[in-house]
Amino acid sequence: TQLLEQSPQFLSIQEGENLTVYCNSSSVFSSLQWYRQEPGEGPVLLVTIVTGGEVKKLKRLTFQFGDARKDSSLHITAAQPGDTGLYLCAGETSGSRLTFGEGTQLTVNP
Amino acid sequence: NAGVTQTPKFRILKIGQSMTLQCAQDMNHNYMYWYRQDPGMGLKLIYYSVGAGITDKGEVPNGYNVSRSTTEDFPLRLELAAPSQTSVYFCASRMVGTQYFGPGTRLLVL
Repeated sequence: TQLLEQSPQFLSIQEGENLTVYCNSSSVFSSLQWYRQEPGEGPVLLVTIVTGGEVKKLKRLTFQFGDARKDSSLHITAAQPGDTGLYLCAGETSGSRLTFGEGTQLTVNP
Repeated sequence: NAGVTQTPKFRILKIGQSMTLQCAQDMNHNYMYWYRQDPGMGLKLIYYSVGAGITDKGEVPNGYNVSRSTTEDFPLRLELAAPSQTSVYFCASRMVGTQYFGPGTRLLVL
């Protein structure tokens, strides 16, 4: 069973601070996805990264896929209360299946 | 397009009862998935389908069954509900690179 370890599990910060969420595995993935989920809703895709070493930016969010395609990170610059939510990483394996991490619950306080 | 729809939104079952969670998508996606999400956790894959008539087990299939008679519909069946099946269930469909999630069904087994 492929396992994705996500850290930290919980993060509470003040508005304007920076943060990084990590996603690590011993398995190689064909792609790595990051989702954001708000209470009572399904996850919504933020980004898909397919190339080892690739960095993608989405406004204040920076996503990186490790060179060996086993790990990833999400960095948020100048966090805002609207960034609050559950962030999930997911690695794609053969057969178009996704393995999800346990999630990072982010709270940004005004 | 409605995207991915799920019914019911919430259900309480007694131990041993059965029910079917409905999932439909109108995007003509071949791939469809069922996940469960326990509180504060990531998503675990229950079953998935790569097209009408084809289904396969995910990480946690015990206690569940699925069918895929049409491209649009992918119902999940619980035959003998157990308290361990208390969870939020998400259905998703997939286009290349992106999974689209439904709003979820919250199930409580007492």
